[in-house]
Amino acid sequence: EAQVTQNPRYLITVTGKKLTVTCSQNMNHEYMSWYRQDPGLGLRQIYYSMNVEVTDKGDVPEGYKVSRKEKRNFPLILESPSPNQTSLYFCASSDQGGNYEQYFGPGTRLTVT
Amino acid sequence: GQQVMQIPQYQHVQEGEDFTTYCNSSTTLSNIQWYKQRPGGHPVFLIQLVKSGEVKKQKRLTFQFGEAKKNSSLHITATQTTDVGTYFCAGRSSGSARQLTFGSGTQLTVLP
Repeated sequence: EAQVTQNPRYLITVTGKKLTVTCSQNMNHEYMSWYRQDPGLGLRQIYYSMNVEVTDKGDVPEGYKVSRKEKRNFPLILESPSPNQTSLYFCASSDQGGNYEQYFGPGTRLTVT
Repeated sequence: GQQVMQIPQYQHVQEGEDFTTYCNSSTTLSNIQWYKQRPGGHPVFLIQLVKSGEVKKQKRLTFQFGEAKKNSSLHITATQTTDVGTYFCAGRSSGSARQLTFGSGTQLTVLP
């Protein structure tokens, strides 16, 4: 089954404790992206990747890091989480450089206290 | 940077009534996509519009892309309870083929 998986689905952590949210897709898509969703703000793009070893900033990259060492994986790293990073995070992948539909993962609800 | 405004933020309708959500971009778009997110779920792709003035239909859903490629709308005829969710537009600027900017979404409630 074609899918995007994210782990963990839920995470409660404390300020400053480094964490990684994993994202994996099995559709051989070149384009992958991370979004955060906050009430009233829709989905805001954090980082995206056009291919392996190619990443670029989205609209809200501050406080986040990403890496793309393999085509299928695109982890999101919060080196020193802060309460304003409490949000719902979605990973997505797409074919053809992102010019086609994006397939979203199930989401990761992060709470930083 | 590119901004995509979407209205209304919320809409409550009686089952059987029509519903429309509108998106306006601050820049000309190369294409626009629409997604639906059910409560507690993830966004699911509905459609992509590319051409100026394009109109596409999916059963009771009608999607339009403006002539100037700066606005779009989604119209649902005779809503059903299964239409409940948040509808997002997402525009790709003509100047940037890689970044997709989402509108803030319209949350639709359908009252039986």
